[in-house]
Amino acid sequence: AIQLTQSPSSLSASVGDRVTITCRASQGISSAVAWYQQKPGKAPNLVIYGASNLESGVPSRFSGSGSGTDFTLTISSLQPEDFATYYCQHFNSFPYTFGPGTKVDIK
Amino acid sequence: EVQLVQSGAEVKKPGESLKISCKGSGYSFTSNWIGWVRQMPGKGLEWMGIIYPADSDTRYSPSFQGQVTISADKSVSTAYLQWSSLKASDTAIYYCARWLTGTAGRAEYWGQGTLVTVSS
Repeated sequence: AIQLTQSPSSLSASVGDRVTITCRASQGISSAVAWYQQKPGKAPNLVIYGASNLESGVPSRFSGSGSGTDFTLTISSLQPEDFATYYCQHFNSFPYTFGPGTKVDIK
Repeated sequence: EVQLVQSGAEVKKPGESLKISCKGSGYSFTSNWIGWVRQMPGKGLEWMGIIYPADSDTRYSPSFQGQVTISADKSVSTAYLQWSSLKASDTAIYYCARWLTGTAGRAEYWGQGTLVTVSS
């Protein structure tokens, strides 16, 4: 099964900061990566799919890039509502594993 | 409007059986993959498996194969996650989601989650 790692596992940032989270796959997975945001006590919310496609209704400060084994999620200017945990997930082949998550909290 | 509505919280004892549900509405239930994600207390998301209701094609994560059963009833647009003998380590929140597969794969719609507590 394909394994995903994320870095960092957590980060502290301020409102207005640019934040980048990395997801690395154990083998090439083309562009078959999605990113989710999860807030405490809530179901995950889709942010990016196909590595770089912004889900409808998601603010344009979110962007994704990458292909092959290395992917990034960038928040261009962190807003108070963006403090959450972010997960990547691959869709290259079953099982569709998730990364371990990156927690973004307030500095 | 697409909605996935899950059954309510459960408290069970080790060794008991359980079946939780996820009812889809607002879309073609039969022609979309639907499946389950586990989140243990304070932990990350774990993909368990999915089912294609039209033909009951089911794919499990190796971590969950043989531990749970995923099924679907097209007549009531409902997916199920079932245990025959619960363990304390099954304590978690279980989310259902509608899945699109392939390069543009994603889970756009999620249920609200079902908390399963297994304790003696």
